[in-house]
Amino acid sequence: GENVEQHPSTLSVQEGDSAVIKCTYSDSASNYFPWYKQELGKRPQLIIDIRSNVGEKKDQRIAVTLNKTAKHFSLHITETQPEDSAVYFCAASTPPTGANNLFFGTGTRLTVIP
Amino acid sequence: DAGVIQSPRHEVTEMGQEVTLRCKPISGHDYLFWYRQTMMRGLELLIYFNNNVPIDDSGMPEDRFSAKMPNASFSTLKIQPSEPRDSAVYFCASSWGHTLQPQHFGDGTRLSIL
Repeated sequence: GENVEQHPSTLSVQEGDSAVIKCTYSDSASNYFPWYKQELGKRPQLIIDIRSNVGEKKDQRIAVTLNKTAKHFSLHITETQPEDSAVYFCAASTPPTGANNLFFGTGTRLTVIP
Repeated sequence: DAGVIQSPRHEVTEMGQEVTLRCKPISGHDYLFWYRQTMMRGLELLIYFNNNVPIDDSGMPEDRFSAKMPNASFSTLKIQPSEPRDSAVYFCASSWGHTLQPQHFGDGTRLSIL
């Protein structure tokens, strides 16, 4: 089955700097890649997603890039703020089940230092 | 929409007792997922349903765990008998599976087995 690896496991940045989290996947058939943010004691919440027919997607300070050839995708957060501090999970979904069964990375704990 | 609703939010019980966790998916979603989250193992998929039918239960740790979905708006995850190592946060998520759509998570049940 699909295997998703995520790096780094922890990341500390100064407020205002950029943060980049990288994930790789093993199954070239994977075609859907969501990113979730989980604040302490709360549920994972979708922040952005990308489909395999798109190379980049941006939503305000958040962007995701996808390199299908290299089988990796990345989350970019610009102008980081303290409220960006959380654990971020990447995930990949592989057809043909159509189940949106997600394979999650192990998470990155982002700390934004004021 | 109220989102995915889970109950109870917290459960503390003694080893050997039966535990029942409940989930109401988002109306119209035809996929329902149960996850377990621990510090050591991250987010683990336990089982998922499509149109109330269990599709993949390979993540269920052992026979002490069982899940049902009697109708489109309700699912249960049962542990009998419970053990201290079952202590974790259990999340339910739902999605609309006809196209590549994200999973939406409930607030989780924090389970502590003493």
